[in-house]
Amino acid sequence: SAVISQKPSRDICQRGTSLTIQCQVDSQVTMMFWYRQQPGQSLTLIATANQGSEATYESGFVIDKFPISRPNLTFSTLTVSNMSPEDSSIYLCSVEDEGSNYGYTFGSGTRLTVV
Amino acid sequence: GDSVTQMEGPVTLSEEAFLTINCTYTATGYPSLFWYVQYPGEGLQLLLKATKADDKGSNKGFEATYRKETTSFHLEKGSVQVSDSAVYFCALNGNTGGFKTIFGAGTRLFVKA
Repeated sequence: SAVISQKPSRDICQRGTSLTIQCQVDSQVTMMFWYRQQPGQSLTLIATANQGSEATYESGFVIDKFPISRPNLTFSTLTVSNMSPEDSSIYLCSVEDEGSNYGYTFGSGTRLTVV
Repeated sequence: GDSVTQMEGPVTLSEEAFLTINCTYTATGYPSLFWYVQYPGEGLQLLLKATKADDKGSNKGFEATYRKETTSFHLEKGSVQVSDSAVYFCALNGNTGGFKTIFGAGTRLFVKA
């Protein structure tokens, strides 16, 4: 299965600043997914990122707040912009393994705390 | 829309006890079903999966059987270990509307020595 390197693993940021999270995959993948996991909660899909096109955002998430880049088939970034304490969460990237019936591989996550 | 409901936690067991974490789903068509595990401080890992009715997924002593008649995918392990302490997420991919995976709320498992 694919191996994902996600960084940073954690960060503490000041409100009003922005943080960019990177995910590098060891193989080419068509789609990459960004999730948010708020404290004690399940995962919520933020957006789906395809190479060469704009990301598709889920309801409640907008590009101005969570801009995503997907410059090639092995890399993507998610930026959390103009952060507030409510953005404190774990952010995870994910890729599909061998077709949708085979499950997804996740990065180790970025634990973000906004103070 | 598609949804996943799993039993609330936390679940606390003694080592070598039998584990069941219930999961039921609502979906149109024939979804694929998954269990993911999240160990403390880590991301999610795929634990097991089943892609069609009556399939049994298994890994590391854990098992789950895809029951279409009861729309369930309960996770079981015959003898838990302290190292199994983690949060377990049931999930489905409905194979419709893109590749969106729907996750349950997660069940935290504590195993005592």
